[in-house]
Amino acid sequence: EDQVTQSPEALRLQEGESSSLNCSYTVSGLRGLFWYRQDPGKGPEFLFTLYSAGEEKEKERLKATLTKKESFLHITAPKPEDSATYLCAVEDYGGSQGNLIFGKGTKLSVKP
Amino acid sequence: DAGVTQSPTHLIKTRGQQVTLRCSPKSGHDTVSWYQQALGQGPQFIFQYYEEEERQRGNFPDRFSGHQFPNYSSELNVNALLLGDSALYLCASSLSGQARYGYTFGSGTRLTVV
Repeated sequence: EDQVTQSPEALRLQEGESSSLNCSYTVSGLRGLFWYRQDPGKGPEFLFTLYSAGEEKEKERLKATLTKKESFLHITAPKPEDSATYLCAVEDYGGSQGNLIFGKGTKLSVKP
Repeated sequence: DAGVTQSPTHLIKTRGQQVTLRCSPKSGHDTVSWYQQALGQGPQFIFQYYEEEERQRGNFPDRFSGHQFPNYSSELNVNALLLGDSALYLCASSLSGQARYGYTFGSGTRLTVV
């Protein structure tokens, strides 16, 4: 059974204090791993798609990496506006495209 | 360019009633997926529609049904509402075969069952 586990559940950082969020996954065949950002009361906002181990993608202060069993979302010098819940999801080759298995998310708070 | 549009934004229903939620996909997208997100949880896949057919279904009872129209918009229907159906219902759209561009989510419909 496909599973996605995110840690930590919550993370509090000071502005400028870099850190990483973890996403461990179990799938029979990884079609893709997705990172989303979700603000309270809003839908998830797409950040990255990763496909194969060793792949990395960057966007502003965010960098996502992928291994065969986990993905990391690195946040460099975060700002208060980076506060949100970050969701990781996987898409299995056994399912149709768009059938994403999500983790519970990591709630990030960045204090000024 | 409008993204995914969902209506209504909020809804309060009584246990046992029926509800219909609506979704207009992003322009150019042809596939719609529906998700249920309970408070503090990640979204859970309900089902997906492509070419007006249900292509795949998650672990949800038959009380949850849907439809896709020729213009790619979609509806989610839930019958015999239970208190446990209270959640944020999200619609995500994509262009079939273009997963690398991600799935675009709407802001959701907050359903409260009392």
